[in-house]
Amino acid sequence: EPEVTQTPSHQVTQMGQEVILRCVPISNHLYFYWYRQILGQKVEFLVSFYNNEISEKSEIFDDQFSVERPDGSNFTLKIRSTKLEDSAMYFCASYTPGTSNEQFFGPGTRLTVL
Amino acid sequence: DQQVKQNSPSLSVQEGRISILNCDYTNSMFDYFLWYKKYPAEGPTFLISISSIKDKNEDGRFTVFLNKSAKHLSLHIVPSQPGDSAVYFCAASDAAGNKLTFGGGTRVLVKP
Repeated sequence: EPEVTQTPSHQVTQMGQEVILRCVPISNHLYFYWYRQILGQKVEFLVSFYNNEISEKSEIFDDQFSVERPDGSNFTLKIRSTKLEDSAMYFCASYTPGTSNEQFFGPGTRLTVL
Repeated sequence: DQQVKQNSPSLSVQEGRISILNCDYTNSMFDYFLWYKKYPAEGPTFLISISSIKDKNEDGRFTVFLNKSAKHLSLHIVPSQPGDSAVYFCAASDAAGNKLTFGGGTRVLVKP
């Protein structure tokens, strides 16, 4: 069964450093998303991406964040200068119109900012 | 942001009995509602969804009920099995493919 994959599974970084979280969405999907879950809190939407551009972003997704689909398979989330409060699980998801409206989620990357 | 709320943080049920999980929402623009299941250290896994034009959707042991006038939905799991022990998230969007807004989750424990 096709699945969304994410790497790395765990990333530890120092405050102020740049991190890139990587995702490989399901191959025929057209919409891509990043969500995050801070420990003990809700899963919250960060950004959606369609047709090679951002279609929607949340207030969290400020200038420190960027997304890119550098080739036909990868979808990345970059945090330019990490803060302590960026520590969270980051989930990538993908979707394509069809019989179901579900978004398929990857296993997540745990980001720890020290 | 409390647009989607799951008021019960946890639920304990005996194996073989029914599990009922509840979810309330405030945004009348929501058109699609989904339930996801999540195990520790894994991403959310889709269970079942319902669109606002329906009031019930069933898939095997899982049934979702939508009461649009009350802005309430529920997930029924019958019969509950120990493998159902996980955190269940209710999520909503205003159109297929748009961002999902999640509830806080309900941790379900099914006792053998």
